[in-house]
Amino acid sequence: NAGVTQTPKFRVLKTGQSMTLLCAQDMNHEYMYWYRQDPGMGLRLIHYSVGEGTTAKGEVPDGYNVSRLKKQNFLLGLESAAPSQTSVYFCASSYSGLAGLYNEQFFGPGTRLTVL
Amino acid sequence: EDKVVQSPLSLVVHEGDTVTLNCSYEVTNFRSLLWYKQEKKAPTFLFMLTSSGIEKKSGRLSSILDKKELFSILNITATQTGDSAVYLCAVIRQGGSEKLVFGKGTKLTVNP
Repeated sequence: NAGVTQTPKFRVLKTGQSMTLLCAQDMNHEYMYWYRQDPGMGLRLIHYSVGEGTTAKGEVPDGYNVSRLKKQNFLLGLESAAPSQTSVYFCASSYSGLAGLYNEQFFGPGTRLTVL
Repeated sequence: EDKVVQSPLSLVVHEGDTVTLNCSYEVTNFRSLLWYKQEKKAPTFLFMLTSSGIEKKSGRLSSILDKKELFSILNITATQTGDSAVYLCAVIRQGGSEKLVFGKGTKLTVNP
């Protein structure tokens, strides 16, 4: 039982390049989330998904796209990376959403992305 | 605008000390407050508090919520070096929003 895993762990991009971050969970969770964590800013929600085939915008969605083609995977894409997207990205999953009983979010280990 | 403020921002103590971390909030339609511990990587869940005045405990950690004064505290007694981490506070709002409102965290360093 690996929990929530993220690939890659580190990545350096040049401005304008694209990349996809992969999040996978093996807990059969319905809800999945992508956050970014910046120094002095706390964790901010980028996008989330309430189930396979669904996605929704969070607090800071601009510049990112997501897809949830399979229940266990949640992909975060950067089409044209900018230095402002340098951050640590965390994926999380939970069995129910925040309004549900089983709303504890389990976090992955993070991806450190640097955009030059 | 929703706000979660944690204090202090950082704290350095010696092993065996007791610490109190604070989290105050101004959030529309408050539902619950969460505490997470973040060591080098992923945040891990500690407590969820929904009712005022009821203490949650787990070993040397305990937390309580005051919904009238809009704050929560996290206490750690007999601190150990393994307690060194950033402690995050987050608030859930009513109404089905999936957005957790996070504070910026308190960085705790426990020296031997």
